[in-house]
Amino acid sequence: KQEVTQIPAALSVPEGENLVLNCSFTDSAIYNLQWFRQDPGKGLTSLLLIQSSQREQTSGRLNASLDKSSGRSTLYIAASQPGDSATYLCAAPISGNTGKLIFGQGTTLQVKP
Amino acid sequence: EPEVTQTPSHQVTQMGQEVILHCVPISNHLYFYWYRQILGQKVEFLVSFYNNEISEKSEIFDDQFSVERPDGSNFTLKIRSTKLEDSAMYFCASSFVYGYTFGSGTRLTVV
Repeated sequence: KQEVTQIPAALSVPEGENLVLNCSFTDSAIYNLQWFRQDPGKGLTSLLLIQSSQREQTSGRLNASLDKSSGRSTLYIAASQPGDSATYLCAAPISGNTGKLIFGQGTTLQVKP
Repeated sequence: EPEVTQTPSHQVTQMGQEVILHCVPISNHLYFYWYRQILGQKVEFLVSFYNNEISEKSEIFDDQFSVERPDGSNFTLKIRSTKLEDSAMYFCASSFVYGYTFGSGTRLTVV
């Protein structure tokens, strides 16, 4: 049974700092892992998708890595800005590429000006 | 960039009433889903839909829930007799081969 965990639950950093958000999963036989951003009361915006054959994906100041053997993924945010303040969720499908997603509980990030 | 569109953004209903939540998935996507998020809790899976039938459903998705794809573009979630505990944000999502695109959600408040 796939379980996804995100630690810490909340993080507060000063503007400009580089930071890492962590995501752990129990079943290493995942097909992909997706990172989402959720602003308060809003929907889920896809940030990065990493296929099981990839080790990392980059988009702008964001870099996501995947280590299946250790059951971990990280989201690296470079030069954080107040606009990055949001909840970041990771999720993996329970089977195949289109199976139901299992979500972590999220890390709520606050970037202080 | 293609989007998943959900309407309404917010719905208030009385306990025991029926509600229908609407979604327009991305046009060339094949897999459709509903998820929900109770305030302060994890996003949780409700149901997946492929090839005009339910492919998987969670234990939450009981007889009070149903989904339909009435035409080539819409995907609806119906709750027949709403309960207070159905209050949540409901998200529609679609997928083509891999990766999900989510809509902006419908906040359902049952009073």
